[in-house]
Amino acid sequence: DTEVTQTPKHLVMGMTNKKSLKCEQHMGHRAMYWYKQKAKKPPELMFVYSYEKLSINESVPSRFSPECPNSSLLNLHLHALQPEDSALYLCASSQDVYRVNTEAFFGQGTRLTVV
Amino acid sequence: DAKTTQPPSMDCAEGRAANLPCNHSTISGNEYVYWYRQIHSQGPQYIIHGLKNNETNEMASLIITEDRKSSTLILPHATLRDTAVYYCIVRVTNAGGTSYGKLTFGQGTILTVHP
Repeated sequence: DTEVTQTPKHLVMGMTNKKSLKCEQHMGHRAMYWYKQKAKKPPELMFVYSYEKLSINESVPSRFSPECPNSSLLNLHLHALQPEDSALYLCASSQDVYRVNTEAFFGQGTRLTVV
Repeated sequence: DAKTTQPPSMDCAEGRAANLPCNHSTISGNEYVYWYRQIHSQGPQYIIHGLKNNETNEMASLIITEDRKSSTLILPHATLRDTAVYYCIVRVTNAGGTSYGKLTFGQGTILTVHP
C-alpha cells in the first residue's frame, strides 16, 4: 500500500467555522507533511512532522493548527480562516526526514474554499 | 537552497521522447536532484531522483551532467497521460547534511503532449 489518503476531497467553510483535514498513511513512514497550493502556483511547505513531533513550521498563521496523534495520522485543524486561505491542501509522507535518498508520497489533496 | 530553473512550457508529440531540462548551477555535492510531476488537480507524483550517475526506472530516465549543474528528464515515449507540470527539485539538506525532508517546488514546466 503506497497510498496517502486525504479526507475530505472538497470542503467549503465559513470564516467562523472550525473544521479539520485528515491524512492517513500505512506505509510505516515516520515523516509527514502539509503543503498548501494556490491556483496555478507550486506547492508550498507548511509543516513537517518527524516521529509525531512538529519539526518545521514555515511561519504558518495560528489559524492553522497541525496535529499528529499517531504515526499513521496527520490532521490540520482550521479555525477563523480567510477567503485567501482557499487552496488545495496536500499531505505527504516519507520514510523519515533524515534520509535524503528517499521519495515523498503525496495524497490527492483537499480542495478548500473559504466563504 | 539550491535553486532550479526550468522552461515554463514545452510541447511534445505523442509517441516521441520528451526531454525536460533543468538548471541547478548552485547545487551542493551532497544534494540530490528529484523530479515530480503533477497532473491537473492531483497530488504530485514522484518520478525519479539521482545524485551523480544517470538513472532509469519504469517511468523515465534522468541524465545529470558531469559538473551536476544541470539535468534532463527523459520520457522515452510520451503519451497524452503524461501531460502535466513537471518539477525539478534539489533536495534541501542542512549544514550538517541531514535533510529535514523539505521539498521546495519551483514553477515547473508545463508539458503538453499532442496527439
